[in-house]
Amino acid sequence: DAGVTQSPTHLIKTRGQQVTLRCSPKSGHDTVSWYQQALGQGPQFIFQYYEEEERQRGNFPDRFSGHQFPNYSSELNVNALLLGDSALYLCASSRSGARETQYFGPGTRLLVL
Amino acid sequence: GDSVTQMEGPVTLSEEACLTINCTYTATGYPSLFWYVQYPGEGLQLLLKATKADDKGSNKGFEATYRKETTSFHLEKGSVQVSDSAVYFCALSDRTGGFKTIFGAGTRLFVKA
Repeated sequence: DAGVTQSPTHLIKTRGQQVTLRCSPKSGHDTVSWYQQALGQGPQFIFQYYEEEERQRGNFPDRFSGHQFPNYSSELNVNALLLGDSALYLCASSRSGARETQYFGPGTRLLVL
Repeated sequence: GDSVTQMEGPVTLSEEACLTINCTYTATGYPSLFWYVQYPGEGLQLLLKATKADDKGSNKGFEATYRKETTSFHLEKGSVQVSDSAVYFCALSDRTGGFKTIFGAGTRLFVKA
């Protein structure tokens, strides 16, 4: 049973560019959440997708957007990258009957130069 | 809003020593509580959880008890191993928060042989 998978594993971009990160949820899961983890800190919630709609959003600007596909996979898009966007981006999945329990992927490490 | 506070690290122990990492929370609803572990260079792994007062979560020798009266969920292990060296995150999630997971800042544990 495959767990949560994310791609790419690492990414280097320059300021002002745009980036797309991808996530495939654990089998049987239909809800995907995204988190940003800066170095030495705990993950911060960005948003959550369920039934292809954004259901919850944390304190992140509109430069951060997402999408969920019919197969429950998801994308995180970040526009106009800033140096401060450098972080580990974690995807977590859960199932609708137990959304409080989330399983995390290995993350995508983004470096903005 | 909801929040999680955990003891600052790093915590350095010798192999076979006892471990306690303190965690307290503030929540408006009735949250589920979690401990996640992050090994170097990896994503988060769910270590254990508890969903109601007095529940004890346990896994791999680690335990934590949901104490509603003291709003705490301290992580304990009777005998740590070098392989337990990692960062440990206390977290909560509840329905009133839309099931987003709120994390503490993390506690780094070093176990010496």
